[in-house]
Formats: sequence, structure tokens, C-alpha cells
Amino acid sequence: DQQVKQNSPSLSVQEGRISILNCDYTNSMFDYFLWYKKYPAEGPTFLISISSIKDKNEDGRFTVFLNKSAKHLSLHIVPSQPGDSAVYFCAASDAVRGGSNYKLTFGKGTLLTVNP
Amino acid sequence: SQTIHQWPATLVQPVGSPLSLECTVEGTSNPNLYWYRQAAGRGLQLLFYSVGIGQISSEVPQNLSASRPQDRQFILSSKKLLLSDSGFYLCAWTARLAVYNEQFFGPGTRLTVL
Repeated sequence: DQQVKQNSPSLSVQEGRISILNCDYTNSMFDYFLWYKKYPAEGPTFLISISSIKDKNEDGRFTVFLNKSAKHLSLHIVPSQPGDSAVYFCAASDAVRGGSNYKLTFGKGTLLTVNP
Repeated sequence: SQTIHQWPATLVQPVGSPLSLECTVEGTSNPNLYWYRQAAGRGLQLLFYSVGIGQISSEVPQNLSASRPQDRQFILSSKKLLLSDSGFYLCAWTARLAVYNEQFFGPGTRLTVL
């Protein structure tokens, strides 16, 4: 049972345009969502996150939107740059405040290619 | 600042041979530690996590085991490797008392089983 889904394995955009990466989840207990960026042969790096009490979080060129009713989140990159070309993973957590059992559930990733 | 190390970076092993991958974290105490595997064309699969020394939770049945002999050391092992164990292995950590658990990943180990 895949609780976090990234239905687009790949996405190709032109430099300077907007990249929109989508993610859907099924577990209504998830209350914290993260995006990671991964280059080949490297570990993922944390990009941006959002908690369920918000519907938008922005950091420079990156904005994450959360639609809880639809169980959907998206990552917008504006403007896209060739260096953004990487695999992007969506992850979700049902963080327990004060607990010690923290796990992230990852989607399968979307390969973003930004063409010059 | 915190850093996470993994070694070796790459490894080629024959089927049936043992495995030991090591992960260490610096600059933090009592972290939660995680082992993930990314198989070719697949997402990140959580293999094990640990909330303390000697405490290991396994997420999926497999040919691998994990140990945490010290607070900031996490080891992934196998007695006999299978072809299906090939993949990219990632170690990650998060702060124990973090309300929201952003995990930070190491550089990974590429394992090829022949």
C-alpha cells in the first residue's frame, strides 16, 4: 500500500519557466510534509517542508502548497534553472509530539529535467 | 554543525559474501538513525531505524540486519549477500526531540552484488 504517491516519474521544463511537482497521500494522519532533492550517487538533501496547519510555505524560488481536503501537495519552482535537474522526493510524517518514533514515508520520486 | 558519514562509498561483492556498511554522525547526541535502500528506478525504502543504542526496528523482512553499538554509529550487515541486495544504501539521522522530523542523509553507499 503506497501511502505517498508521485504519479509523474519525470517532468521536463524549459529554463526560466515554472516546474510543478505533485504528490498525493492517503494517510489522513500525516501532518508534516517534506520535499527532498537528490542528485545521482548522492544522498537526498532537504529542500522545503510544510506542516498541516499551513497551506503554503515559501523559500526563495521554492513554494510548497498543501491541500488537506484533497490530500495533495505540490512543489513549485520559479524560475526553473538547469541546476534544479534532479530527482525530487515527496515525504510525509505522522510526527508524534514528544515521542521517539519518527519515520518518513517517501514517494518514488519525480525526475525533473530543466532544459537550457 | 552536524555531519553524517558513510563508508565505503562504493562496494562490489560476490553473491554469498558478508556485508558491513557503517554510518556515523557527528555534532549531535541521541539521534534517531535510519537505513534506507534505493533500488534502481525505485523510491526510498526504509529498512531499519533506531531510537537508541541496541534498539533496532526492522521495517521489512530481508536478508539484512542492523546494529547500533554506539550512540552515533549505525551498522548495516548481511551474512550472505543476494543479487537482490544491490542498490544505493543511505543512512539518515534526525534529532530525537524534534517535533517535526526532518531527516538528514549521508552520501550513500553504492553496493553491487555480482
